[in-house]
Amino acid sequence: RKEVEQDPGPFNVPEGATVAFNCTYSNSASQSFFWYRQDCRKEPKLLMSVYSSGNEDGRFTAQLNRASQYISLLIRDSKLSDSATYLCVVGNTGNQFYFGTGTSLTVIP
Amino acid sequence: EPEVTQTPSHQVTQMGQEVILRCVPISNHLYFYWYRQILGQKVEFLVSFYNNEISEKSEIFDDQFSVERPDGSNFTLKIRSTKLEDSAMYFCASSGGTGGVKLFFGSGTQLSVL
Repeated sequence: RKEVEQDPGPFNVPEGATVAFNCTYSNSASQSFFWYRQDCRKEPKLLMSVYSSGNEDGRFTAQLNRASQYISLLIRDSKLSDSATYLCVVGNTGNQFYFGTGTSLTVIP
Repeated sequence: EPEVTQTPSHQVTQMGQEVILRCVPISNHLYFYWYRQILGQKVEFLVSFYNNEISEKSEIFDDQFSVERPDGSNFTLKIRSTKLEDSAMYFCASSGGTGGVKLFFGSGTQLSVL
């Protein structure tokens, strides 16, 4: 069983659309949760941490449901520059991190 | 802003040769990692390093791979006898200390084995 599972997509959405990505994790003792963005042939970059209370950063909203072991990322008003792969990352004790396969997003003009 | 630096950005080598990929993690971070990503595929964990020893490694990290922290700043990945299938982007990352639990990546070394 994979530690972290994501729908790989691809998601192709028009500019201005709202898109949501989901991720599930298998270890109920996981302690930290993140969304990373990766552009083609570049390193993953931290987009946002995910907290139990939910958190928002501009057009991006992240949610964590510990009971269901589920993480989500919502992007509102999609821009062309949002096109990238979005990685769900879960941290366990000892700063060990587990990556989802990533979800590919293409925003179409 | 502090960052993880990796050198070289590109490395071309012949099959069977040894390569060393170099990384300078963010100072004051305590955990160091190597990941790799084959073109078009997912990011794969190789190894994590803490307190001067390997804390976890994946099945990919076999006897051909080794890591070292030769001084207080560098963190290296050595591949002893490269294979064609070792061609990938190799990312170094660090976390802990002042960085907390967040993982910060270097810009990667693209390794091409011919």
